[in-house]
Amino acid sequence: TQLLEQSPQFLSIQEGENLTVYCNSSSVFSSLQWYRQEPGEGPVLLVTVVTGGEVKKLKRLTFQFGDARKDSSLHITAAQTGDTGLYLCAGASSGGSNYKLTFGKGTLLTVNP
Amino acid sequence: DAGITQSPRHKVTETGTPVTLRCHQTENHRYMYWYRQDPGHGLRLIHYSYGVKDTDKGEVSDGYSVSRSKTEDFLLTLESATSSQTSVYFCAIGGGAGELFFGEGSRLTVL
Repeated sequence: TQLLEQSPQFLSIQEGENLTVYCNSSSVFSSLQWYRQEPGEGPVLLVTVVTGGEVKKLKRLTFQFGDARKDSSLHITAAQTGDTGLYLCAGASSGGSNYKLTFGKGTLLTVNP
Repeated sequence: DAGITQSPRHKVTETGTPVTLRCHQTENHRYMYWYRQDPGHGLRLIHYSYGVKDTDKGEVSDGYSVSRSKTEDFLLTLESATSSQTSVYFCAIGGGAGELFFGEGSRLTVL
């Protein structure tokens, strides 16, 4: 069974601060996705990273996929209250004819005004 | 937004009663999934479907069954609900690059 460990589990910061959350595994994934979930809603895809070492930027969010495709990080610059939510990483297994994802348990981010 | 509708959005039921949750999509996606989300456990796959009448088990399938008679509908049934099945249930459809689009969730409470 593939596992994804996310850290920290909880993070509370002030608006304007920078932060990084991590997603680690001992397994190799063909791709890794990051989702954000707000209370009472389903997760929404932020980004997919596919290539080892890949870096993607989405405004103030920077996503990195590890060289060995076993880990990923999400860095937020100058956090805003609107960034508050549960951040989930999910790894896709290579091969097969389906797209079952392995989800981490998430990082609950609270950005205080 | 992906066209995914879950019903009911909220349900309270008693132990031992049957419950069916419905997921309806308008995107004509082949893959559909049912997840449950619980504190401390994250999202766990219950069942998934890769076509009409083609389904398979996920990691927490015990006590659940599914059916897919049409591309657009994926039903999740709890034959005899138990308190351990109190959870938030999410339906998702699978995109071509492996990404998932989720519904808004169905909150089930089993008393």
